[in-house]
Amino acid sequence: NAGVTQTPKFRVLKTGQSMTLLCAQDMNHEYMYWYRQDPGMGLRLIHYSVGEGTTAKGEVPDGYNVSRLKKQNFLLGLESAAPSQTSVYFCASELRGLAGGNEQFFGPGTRLTVL
Amino acid sequence: QQPVQSPQAVILREGEDAVINCSSSKALYSVHWYRQKHGEAPVFLMILLKGGEQKGHDKISASFNEKKQQSSLYLTASQLSYSGTYFCGTALYSGAGSYQLTFGKGTKLSVIP
Repeated sequence: NAGVTQTPKFRVLKTGQSMTLLCAQDMNHEYMYWYRQDPGMGLRLIHYSVGEGTTAKGEVPDGYNVSRLKKQNFLLGLESAAPSQTSVYFCASELRGLAGGNEQFFGPGTRLTVL
Repeated sequence: QQPVQSPQAVILREGEDAVINCSSSKALYSVHWYRQKHGEAPVFLMILLKGGEQKGHDKISASFNEKKQQSSLYLTASQLSYSGTYFCGTALYSGAGSYQLTFGKGTKLSVIP
């Protein structure tokens, strides 16, 4: 099992460009999450999905969109990148969110720089 | 609302003990603990649930005071491999049967020989 994988690992964008980050998991998990991590800020939830075809906003959703067309994939889109979106992005998956009682498995991260 | 972790950083010598604290102002369903080494993804350590159930590693212990909405992670006889940043995550119910995990800013632990 590959666990949680993220594509790409690194990316540099110019302000205003768009891109999509792909997260894939092979553990048949129901829940998937996108976080961003900035120095000194910890992990902040952008969007999450509780199942195929469903998505919901997290703590910092502005400037991002997501889609979960297949259970194993969770896509994060930046329509018009801004320097404030320079960050490390982590995807995570969880078997199912039973009142916070299951561990989250994290992908290796995508380091995004917006110039 | 982001939980508060303390201390922000700690330096230990091998074999010493450490306690990392996590507190929230809201009623919690559970508390998660993760460790992240530099340049790597966070790795699960432990979950503490309401009612006292724990899931996690045998060599790491933690407590969860439901009345005070506080959790503490206990690292005993520290090893060099314990170095990293420790994050607590507090699970709050977000409606429709789901919850959100909100992470603290982290505690950087450095173990030196």
